[in-house]
Amino acid sequence: GESVGLHLPTLSVQEGDNSIINCAYSNSASDYFIWYKQESGKGPQFIIDIRSNMDKRQGQRVTVLLNKTVKHLSLQIAATQPGDSAVYFCAERSRGSARQLTFGSGTQLTVLP
Amino acid sequence: GAVVSQHPSRVICKSGTSVKIECRSLDFQATTMFWYRQFPKQSLMLMATSNEGSKATYEQGVEKDKFLINHASLTLSTLTVTSAHPEDSSFYICSALSGGFGANEKLFFGSGTQLSVL
Repeated sequence: GESVGLHLPTLSVQEGDNSIINCAYSNSASDYFIWYKQESGKGPQFIIDIRSNMDKRQGQRVTVLLNKTVKHLSLQIAATQPGDSAVYFCAERSRGSARQLTFGSGTQLTVLP
Repeated sequence: GAVVSQHPSRVICKSGTSVKIECRSLDFQATTMFWYRQFPKQSLMLMATSNEGSKATYEQGVEKDKFLINHASLTLSTLTVTSAHPEDSSFYICSALSGGFGANEKLFFGSGTQLSVL
């Protein structure tokens, strides 16, 4: 079936460096993508989203890039801080679906002092 | 921003008992809510879609008689795990759809409920 997956299960970065978390998706019918941050024992927290008619969107310290040609999504975090340590999930929604999301497997980001 | 309250945050119960988890949208109306289940170090798996005033839609492999969902109002959905067993121990997360369909819709998540069945 369709799946959303991540390239790396873990990522360690030095505090202050930029982080890049990648996600591959296989459903060509997906039209909406979201990145979530999940801290231990908590629910997912919305970070940033992007629709399929865009290829880049920026937020505060975060940028999402969408490459529909290769079905690839990335999250860039600038000047990574200790508080950014968490699991990051990409999620996608198919066009015409009942609005539910399909989540990728997650990447554990660890920020080193 | 929109807030979704999930209660309780943690529950421990004996095998065979039933547990109810509540999901409330505090400052918006949600005609659609979703229930997810997450095992340690795994992703969120959709269990069911809860629609206000109608029956929930369950994903394949999820027993509707075991995981009872009620969405009686626009701000409250409940998930009841009936006759819980140790294998039901998991992190349950609800989410609520705000803004209706279209460009303004957003999905907000509750803080999750850690269920431990002894």
